[in-house]
Amino acid sequence: QTVVTQEPSFSVSPGGTVTLTCALSSGSLSTTNYPSWYQLTPGQAPRTLIYNTSTRSSAVPDRFSGSILGNKAALTITGAQPDDESEYYCVMSMGSGIWVFGGGTKLTVL
Amino acid sequence: HLQLQESGPGLVKPSETLSLTCTVSGGSIRSTSYYWGWIRQPPGKGLEWIGSIYYNVGTYFNPSLKSRVIISIDTSKNQFSLKLTSVTAADTAIYYCARVSRGSYSFFDSWGQGTLVSVSS
Repeated sequence: QTVVTQEPSFSVSPGGTVTLTCALSSGSLSTTNYPSWYQLTPGQAPRTLIYNTSTRSSAVPDRFSGSILGNKAALTITGAQPDDESEYYCVMSMGSGIWVFGGGTKLTVL
Repeated sequence: HLQLQESGPGLVKPSETLSLTCTVSGGSIRSTSYYWGWIRQPPGKGLEWIGSIYYNVGTYFNPSLKSRVIISIDTSKNQFSLKLTSVTAADTAIYYCARVSRGSYSFFDSWGQGTLVSVSS
């Protein structure tokens, strides 16, 4: 089964820029994987940030952006805020109704 | 405004069946523009997709859980449900329901708050 890999943790200074990535264990990333990104904060419903690689969900600040970097999906936070300290997950569509989440990245802002 | 709310027992005994319901408000579960899914997060671990149901189409499951999962829809109550059989402590997790947008691309566009289910005797 395909595994989706994310950096386990990352740290960024307030106001800094950080790029989190998401890679498939086998095969090349394709637009048909429709990579999307979610923010998970304890006690809250997961928040959809980015879908279809680079489309921001409604009410998501433009400091969050999505892209493809090489063979990886990427989430970039430009001008990180203390409230951005959270866990971030990507998910890939594998086709045939199957989804695979990445292991998540714990982002620290300090 | 769409809302999803999980409900069900917070404690299940090992070997028994975990049953959860997701109540959808502010939208119809019969919409052909969306389908519905279950995702979980065990303590200290990442998110795991469990399965999805398309109204009037069918169901799809995580291969690692497929033999133990049943997902169904009750259109009269605008709800969908998850049953996970033969549970063990490894099934202890926060369980989320979500709506999945269909179309040219798909993504999880709305989520419930999640409900913690513990498996313990």
